[in-house]
Amino acid sequence: DGGITQSPKYLFRKEGQNVTLSCEQNLNHDAMYWYRQDPGQGLRLIYYSQIVNDFQKGDIAEGYSVSREKKESFPLTVTSAQKNPTAFYLCASSIQPFTEAFFGQGTRLTVV
Amino acid sequence: AQTVTQSQPEMSVQEAETVTLSCTYDTSESDYYLFWYKQPPSRQMILVIRQEAYKQQNATENRFSVNFQKAAKSFSLKISDSQLGDAAMYFCAYRSAQDSGAGSYQLTFGKGTKLSVIP
Repeated sequence: DGGITQSPKYLFRKEGQNVTLSCEQNLNHDAMYWYRQDPGQGLRLIYYSQIVNDFQKGDIAEGYSVSREKKESFPLTVTSAQKNPTAFYLCASSIQPFTEAFFGQGTRLTVV
Repeated sequence: AQTVTQSQPEMSVQEAETVTLSCTYDTSESDYYLFWYKQPPSRQMILVIRQEAYKQQNATENRFSVNFQKAAKSFSLKISDSQLGDAAMYFCAYRSAQDSGAGSYQLTFGKGTKLSVIP
C-alpha cells in the first residue's frame, strides 16, 4: 500500500543531543514537508522540499536541519540548538501541482 | 502572508445531530485551495474535504459539506448526522494555487477545533 511512514513513533532525547526523525514515502510525490504540532498552536511548517536536492526553510526552521537526497526520503534532524524540541512532528507529501497533502502518523519527541 | 483563524477551540454535538465548524482566512490572492483535515486521537491527519476558490459550488463529501463564502473569506464545515467516530480535532487549512516562488505550495493551518460527540 502507498503511504508515508514516519519512524519511530516515540523518541526520547537527552538535552544536548541531536536526533533524526525518519520520513519515507512511496507515493511518488515531488514535495515533502515537516510540521511541528504543539498544544493550542496548530501545525507550523519547519522545512519543505519541492524537489530532490532542494529544500526551503519554513516558519520555524531554527534548530532544525533536513536533507533530500532521494525523492522518497526527507529526514529531519533536531539539533541541540533547538531550545524547546518536545513536540509532535508530522511529515507530509503532495503531488505538484495537485494540492492535497498526505500525512504520516507522526513522531512524538520528548527531551528528558 | 496568509492567516487562518478558527474561533471555536472546542465544540460539542449530540449524536445524529448537525454541527458547523467555523473558519475564516485572510489572503490577497484570488486563486487558492481550502481544506478541512480531521485529526482523531491516533493523531493521523486525514483529509476531509477540499474546495477550490474558483468554484462557486460548495464541496460535499457524504455527511460533510462546506459553506464557502469567498467575498467574506469564510469556509465553514458542516457535519450532518454526527457519529461517535467524528470526535476529533478539525483543522482548516489554506494553500495558494499560484506559483509565486518558494513556499507557494505550503499549507497554512488554523489552530484547530476540538469536536466532542455526545452519545
